[in-house]
Order: sequence, then structure tokens, then C-alpha cells
Amino acid sequence: SQQGEEDPQALSIQEGENATMNCSYKTSINNLQWYRQNSGRGLVHLILIRSNEREKHSGRLRVTLDTSKKSSSLLITASRAADTASYFCATDGTGANNLFFGTGTRLTVIP
Amino acid sequence: SAVISQKPSRDICQRGTSLTIQCQVDSQVTMMFWYRQQPGQSLTLIATANQGSEATYESGFVIDKFPISRPNLTFSTLTVSNMSPEDSSIYLCSVRGYYQETQYFGPGTRLLVL
Repeated sequence: SQQGEEDPQALSIQEGENATMNCSYKTSINNLQWYRQNSGRGLVHLILIRSNEREKHSGRLRVTLDTSKKSSSLLITASRAADTASYFCATDGTGANNLFFGTGTRLTVIP
Repeated sequence: SAVISQKPSRDICQRGTSLTIQCQVDSQVTMMFWYRQQPGQSLTLIATANQGSEATYESGFVIDKFPISRPNLTFSTLTVSNMSPEDSSIYLCSVRGYYQETQYFGPGTRLLVL
């Protein structure tokens, strides 16, 4: 299977704290994308990092990519209750024209 | 970014019946995909909807169970045939535009089969 793994499966933090989620994958990739899903609804695209990039920022989000370890991390700084959601990484594999998703991390931010 | 709509947003169906889900995009896109998300699980790709030709199915998914149409560059349908309770899932349409890396998702169709 090309599905990636994410850890932790669930994370509960206080508002204002930082949240870090990790993603590991198995194949060579063109890019890796992070998504947020609120309560079983559609996916919202957060950020894309290409295979030749090591770090990317977008607002309170910071994504790193280590292709040698086939892993990525998503850091959300100064978390808010509205960040409560499930977060998924998805890899766009070399030679593939679609995304394969990780298992997801369920983040709960306590006000 | 593409704006994607799906119909219906949710449905409750009886075992043995079929449901067709529609996906409409506000711009022409190269790639359209259908994903399934079973309760509490991640997303699994069902198939790539090809315009003017048969869809490309992933392992474990077959055309008889999940027939797909894509008559043009902005519209696709997924039918879930002869449903059983195991088909209860969220079905998501996803698109990617010309020369784009970012893939966008529709709001999903939540299906419950009784």
C-alpha cells in the first residue's frame, strides 16, 4: 500500500500551545500536501511542499520535509479552538497522478 | 483554487438500491478523482474519472459497483450500485487543474445505507 502513516493518531492541547503532527511515507514523491478536515466534511488544502524543498511557512503553519527519511511534519503555532480538526498528509508520488493519504491526526484544542 | 460542489450532500438509502453522486467544478480541470472515506478512516482513491473514456479504477474497486461518468471537463458522476451497509461512507470528488500540483476537494457526500 502507498498509504502513509501519521502520528500521533490523536492529540489534545490547550489553546495557545503548539501542535506538531508527523507523517511518514513509503515511495518517492513529487510533493507532499497537508489537508484539514472538520468533522467529516470536505478537505481544506493547507500547504504543499515540493520534494526539493525542506521547509515552508504559511501563517501559523510550518511544514518540513525530509526526503531521506521519507517524513514530514506539520507545526501549528499558537493553536486556537478553531484548529480542532483532523489533519491529513497526502503524497503525490513520482509517476502517479493522484494523491495517497496518511492515516490522519485528530487534533483537539481545548479553550 | 477550484470551487467544487457535490450533490447530494447526504443521503440515507436502503440496501440493494443505487445512488448517483454528482460533482460540478467551476472551471475546466484536467484530472477528476473519486475518493471514499469510511467512518473514522482516511481517504482511499476509488478511481480517476477520464473525460471521454472509461474511468481508471484502483485495486479493490470495480466498474460494476462504482460506475463513473465524465462527459466534460467540469462534471462527473459516481454511482454506488447495489448498496450494502458497508458502503456507508463519505464520498469525495477531487480535482486538479492544468499544470497544477495542488489537488482540491469537494464538500463530500455522506451516505448511510440501512
